[in-house]
Amino acid sequence: DIQMTQSPSSLSASVGDRVTITCRASQDISNHLAWYQQKPGKVPELLIHAASTLHSGVPSRFSGSGSGTDFSLSISSLQPEDVATYYCQKYNGAPFTFGPGTKVDIK
Amino acid sequence: QVQLVQSGAEVKRPGASVKVSCKASGYTFTSYDLNWVRQATGQGLEWMGWMNPNSGNTGYAQKFQGRVTMTRDTSISTAYMELTSLRSEDTAVYYCEVRGTWGQGTLISVSS
Repeated sequence: DIQMTQSPSSLSASVGDRVTITCRASQDISNHLAWYQQKPGKVPELLIHAASTLHSGVPSRFSGSGSGTDFSLSISSLQPEDVATYYCQKYNGAPFTFGPGTKVDIK
Repeated sequence: QVQLVQSGAEVKRPGASVKVSCKASGYTFTSYDLNWVRQATGQGLEWMGWMNPNSGNTGYAQKFQGRVTMTRDTSISTAYMELTSLRSEDTAVYYCEVRGTWGQGTLISVSS
């Protein structure tokens, strides 16, 4: 099975900072990657699918890039409401494995 | 819009089984695959398996093979996930998910 890794596991940044999270697949998954945001105590919400397509209603400060095995999620200007754990997920074929998550908070 | 409403929290004894339901609305139930994901307290998201509501075909994560069964009742647009031989490590919130929309989650607690 394809394994998904994320880095860093956690980060702390200031409001307004640019933040980048990386996700790596152990094999080529083309662009079949989604990013989810999960705020404390809440249900995960889809941010990005197809590696770089912003889901409807998601603020434009979020962006995704990458293909093959290396992907990234960026927040151009970190806001207090972005405090959350972010997960990548592959969906090129079962199992639809999630990455371990990256916890983002405000410095 | 897609909406998924799950059954309520349950407490189970080790060795028991649990069946969680997920009622779909806002779309044609048989049009999209449905996934089940779980999350233990303070832990990450764990994909359990998928089901095609049209055909009933399923695919399960290897970890749950033999213990999980995903079914559906198309007449009421409801999917089910049954997990057997429960142990304490199965204590988690269980979610159904369709095309990026998630149910509200169902807490299953396993304790003697």
